[in-house]
Amino acid sequence: NAGVTQTPKFQVLKTGQSMTLQCAQDMNHNSMYWYRQDPGMGLRLIYYSASEGTTDKGEVPNGYNVSRLNKREFSLRLESAAPSQTSVYFCASSEGRFTEAFFGQGTRLTVV
Amino acid sequence: AQSVTQLDSQVPVFEEAPVELRCNYSSSVSVYLFWYVQYPNQGLQLLLKYLSGSTLVKGINGFEAEFNKSQTSFHLRKPSVHISDTAEYFCAVSWGGNKLTFGTGTQLKVEL
Repeated sequence: NAGVTQTPKFQVLKTGQSMTLQCAQDMNHNSMYWYRQDPGMGLRLIYYSASEGTTDKGEVPNGYNVSRLNKREFSLRLESAAPSQTSVYFCASSEGRFTEAFFGQGTRLTVV
Repeated sequence: AQSVTQLDSQVPVFEEAPVELRCNYSSSVSVYLFWYVQYPNQGLQLLLKYLSGSTLVKGINGFEAEFNKSQTSFHLRKPSVHISDTAEYFCAVSWGGNKLTFGTGTQLKVEL
């Protein structure tokens, strides 16, 4: 019963470094999402993938790229990390429209 | 732009007292409404959802919410809270797409 699995759980980066956050779901869901959570701002959508082979920008896409590798996996890449990208990142998946989104446990990223 | 408003950033309440967490959204056209709960250092878990039908929706842990189209609101209520209800609560709205827009969250603190 893994659900949505994110790796790593914690990461510290130096400004300018790159990294990829991994996300995998085992529920055969069509849609997957990346959110960031910052104090007082709720969750903001970075990118989403409505179905395998498609990706779209969300509310705050700048500085990020994504890859929907297959139906199970959706990765988020920071090409050149900046302190403003310090945040908690959540991956989520859903069957499709209007259905419950299931969330991973989050990745706490600090950029120094 | 479509938006979700949770006016109360923090709500303190004594154990066994009733509580209402407020959520308003910008447009009632084809909305699908959700409440999520986040316990410390965890991901988000669905409490309840409104897709259609009865405007009073019951969820897990004794919570319920009422969809009010004219007021564009979806307030969350519980008649008697427990210490274990201490958490952050997020309202989320989907306007007919795959993605959810979240409010900024309300921290519920239950005191003895």
